[in-house]
Amino acid sequence: DAGVTQSPTHLIKTRGQQVTLRCSPKSGHDTVSWYQQALGQGPQFIFQYYEEEERQRGNFPDRFSGHQFPNYSSELNVNALLLGDSALYLCASSFRQAEDNSPLHFGNGTRLTVT
Amino acid sequence: EDKVVQSPLSLVVHEGDTVTLNCSYEVTNFRSLLWYKQEKKAPTFLFMLTSSGIEKKSGRLSSILDKKELFSILNITATQTGDSAIYLCAVVEYGGATNKLIFGTGTLLAVQP
Repeated sequence: DAGVTQSPTHLIKTRGQQVTLRCSPKSGHDTVSWYQQALGQGPQFIFQYYEEEERQRGNFPDRFSGHQFPNYSSELNVNALLLGDSALYLCASSFRQAEDNSPLHFGNGTRLTVT
Repeated sequence: EDKVVQSPLSLVVHEGDTVTLNCSYEVTNFRSLLWYKQEKKAPTFLFMLTSSGIEKKSGRLSSILDKKELFSILNITATQTGDSAIYLCAVVEYGGATNKLIFGTGTLLAVQP
């Protein structure tokens, strides 16, 4: 039973470019949450998707957008990349109808470097 | 504003020592508190604490929550070099239909041989 999977593992982009990161939730999970972890910091909540819609959003600009597909997988898109977007991007999944639907388990993340 | 604060920020100990990591929080819609260990990539889940005063234990690691004083501690006894990692504390905030995590900045633990 695969856990949360993310791709790619590493990515190098130039300022101003756009990037798409992908996440497949754990089997049986329907909710995907994205987090950004800058160097030396704890992960920061970006947004959460279920039923193909954004349901909660953290304090991130509109350059950060996402999408959820009918198979529950999700994409995180970042436009007009800034140097400060360099970070580890983590995805977590959960099952919304569970008694406790806290997103406990993370994928291995995508390391984004913006030069 | 909701916040989670961990201390110390970093810690260097020798193998065999016992360490205590602290986490305090101010979160409006608290549901539970989580501890994670992070080495190179994804945080690895250690404990979920929901009720005050009930210790969770796994091998040499243990943790307890105080919901009155709004803090938690993570203890590691007989430390080993493999315990070297960043330890993250996160509060699960209830958001209606789903929950989100609010993380502290972490404690960097280095265990020397």
